[in-house]
Amino acid sequence: DAGITQSPRYKITETGRQVTLMCHQTWSHSYMFWYRQDLGHGLRLIYYSAAADITDKGEVPDGYVVSRSKTENFPLTLESATRSQTSVYFCASSSGNGNTEAFFGQGTRLTVV
Amino acid sequence: GENVEQHPSTLSVQEGDSAVIKCTYSDSASNYFPWYKQELGKRPQLIIDIRSNVGEKKDQRIAVTLNKTAKHFSLHITETQPEDSAVYFCAVFYSGYSTLTFGKGTMLLVSP
Repeated sequence: DAGITQSPRYKITETGRQVTLMCHQTWSHSYMFWYRQDLGHGLRLIYYSAAADITDKGEVPDGYVVSRSKTENFPLTLESATRSQTSVYFCASSSGNGNTEAFFGQGTRLTVV
Repeated sequence: GENVEQHPSTLSVQEGDSAVIKCTYSDSASNYFPWYKQELGKRPQLIIDIRSNVGEKKDQRIAVTLNKTAKHFSLHITETQPEDSAVYFCAVFYSGYSTLTFGKGTMLLVSP
């Protein structure tokens, strides 16, 4: 299907475990982004990528790792999950670096217990 | 980094009334100002945007105004309907940071 998809939609994991959230887009957009959404904080940027093999930190990168070996995929890994990382995670893509429309995935609700 | 303040955090109106949400930003070099709507349990979606060379933009019942001097921009929704109930996010793009900075969101509730 065309568009941007995230998997899984829901995930429960234990403190200290490694977990990877997947993001795939079919538009060949150059830019991809990871946000977390928490009540009272809106959407905060974790990491973004301008192209394959180019990534950069956002506002809240600590505890997260990203990679982008292919244009269409942008996985987000929590190396050792903590309860403070319980959140809804949104992946997004755009043809430009932020001054064009961003298209969001459907989100992943992650609970760390 | 860019600082974006969004007000109010919640807004309740009666169907048919107008709603206004305002955002202020800190960096005068910011040049792109989109608004996203997020319905409950759904993804954010762009509803309207404006660039710094334009003062106002309209699309049916929604409009955005930009005051570059005062560094604020507003979303205006006229003749509100229950399906307008959602969380609205403003965002600001500053080329120096290469990404969007979002406001904290406004929950709009339109009562029939």
